[in-house]
Amino acid sequence: EAGVTQFPSHSVIEKGQTVTLRCDPISGHDNLYWYRRVMGKEIKFLLHFVKESKQDESGMPNNRFLAERTGGTYSTLKVQPAELEDSGVYFCASSQASPGGRNSEKLFFGSGTQLSVL
Amino acid sequence: GNSVTQMEGPVTLSEEAFLTINCTYTATGYPSLFWYVQYPGEGLQLLLKATKADDKGSNKGFEATYRKETTSFHLEKGSVQVSDSAVYFCALTVNTGGFKTIFGAGTRLFVKA
Repeated sequence: EAGVTQFPSHSVIEKGQTVTLRCDPISGHDNLYWYRRVMGKEIKFLLHFVKESKQDESGMPNNRFLAERTGGTYSTLKVQPAELEDSGVYFCASSQASPGGRNSEKLFFGSGTQLSVL
Repeated sequence: GNSVTQMEGPVTLSEEAFLTINCTYTATGYPSLFWYVQYPGEGLQLLLKATKADDKGSNKGFEATYRKETTSFHLEKGSVQVSDSAVYFCALTVNTGGFKTIFGAGTRLFVKA
């Protein structure tokens, strides 16, 4: 079974440019999450998709960030225009739907995209 | 609010030493608690979990007990190996209308041969 895959693994861009990150979750996983870790700090929640719908986008820092999950399969996270403080590792994670709802489902993570904005 | 606090690293130990990484949390409702591990060059993976008070999660020689009275979930291992060198993240999942997992800052562990 393929795991969660993220592309690219690294991206170096200049301030003001646009970058699009992609995440392919495990097939059949309805829940897809984006997280970000800035150097040495906690992994911060950005948003949560259930299938193609945004369940919770309370962690999105500002309107320069746009996430989509058309068709409920892969997801993209676009940063436009990028700023220096956007640098960090962006993780994607997925999980199965929990019948009846459980908070004990584990997350399956991708290896992350290291974004450097210069 | 919901948050996780874990001890700052890095933690450097010799092989076969005893490991403790402290984790405390604040949460509304009844969270599940997790430890995730990130080995070099890889994504995070679940190490162990506990879903209710007094539960003990265990895996690969690691253990953590869900302590509601002290709001803690400390990670322990009796004898670490070089291969345990990684970053360890404490986390909780709560229902906020959907399920959200909140992570601590991570603790880097170095084990010397």
